[in-house]
Amino acid sequence: QKEVEQDPGPLSVPEGAIVSLNCTYSNSAFQYFMWYRQYSRKGPELLMYTYSSGNKEDGRFTAQVDKSSKYISLFIRDSQPSDSATYLCAMREYGNQFYFGTGTSLTVIP
Amino acid sequence: NAGVMQNPRHLVRRRGQEARLRCSPMKGHSHVYWYRQLPEEGLKFMVYLQKENIIDESGMPKERFSAEFPKEGPSILRIQQVVRGDSAAYFCASMVEGGSPLHFGNGTRLTVT
Repeated sequence: QKEVEQDPGPLSVPEGAIVSLNCTYSNSAFQYFMWYRQYSRKGPELLMYTYSSGNKEDGRFTAQVDKSSKYISLFIRDSQPSDSATYLCAMREYGNQFYFGTGTSLTVIP
Repeated sequence: NAGVMQNPRHLVRRRGQEARLRCSPMKGHSHVYWYRQLPEEGLKFMVYLQKENIIDESGMPKERFSAEFPKEGPSILRIQQVVRGDSAAYFCASMVEGGSPLHFGNGTRLTVT
């Protein structure tokens, strides 16, 4: 079983839609959770960083962590064509290796 | 505030040559990770370094690959005697300390002909 599972998509939505991206994980010791956005031929860009359970909001982006279900989500409100990218989840214990999902490809259609 | 800088952005090497990839972490960051990414695939961990120390090299092939992060200067990922299978995007990422997130550079795309 992989440490982190992420549906690769592709996901295609109309402009203005609410997007939900998800990851599940197996290691209950993970404490730090991240979402990255990666445009084609660029490096991953940190979008959200949360510690332990709960919600965090930043503009149109909301990250949720449910440690009891080992499930994390990223919501994008009022999606824009510029949100078209691959989204990677990542998580870790303190001081240890990072574990990345394989990424979900998102296309927002104008 | 400059981000993680990687150079060169593109590198072409013939089979058997050496490839040297450089990474300057963000200012104040003393932890560096190297990852490899193939098209349509995820990030594969290679090595984790702190200044002058290799902390975890479990993801790096034992032969032909080496990495360093000297006290002064950038981190270097070195691939000796490159083969076609080494063609990939190599990303460097840095962080401040153990509880902080990684910040990535834009990668070096290595092509072996």
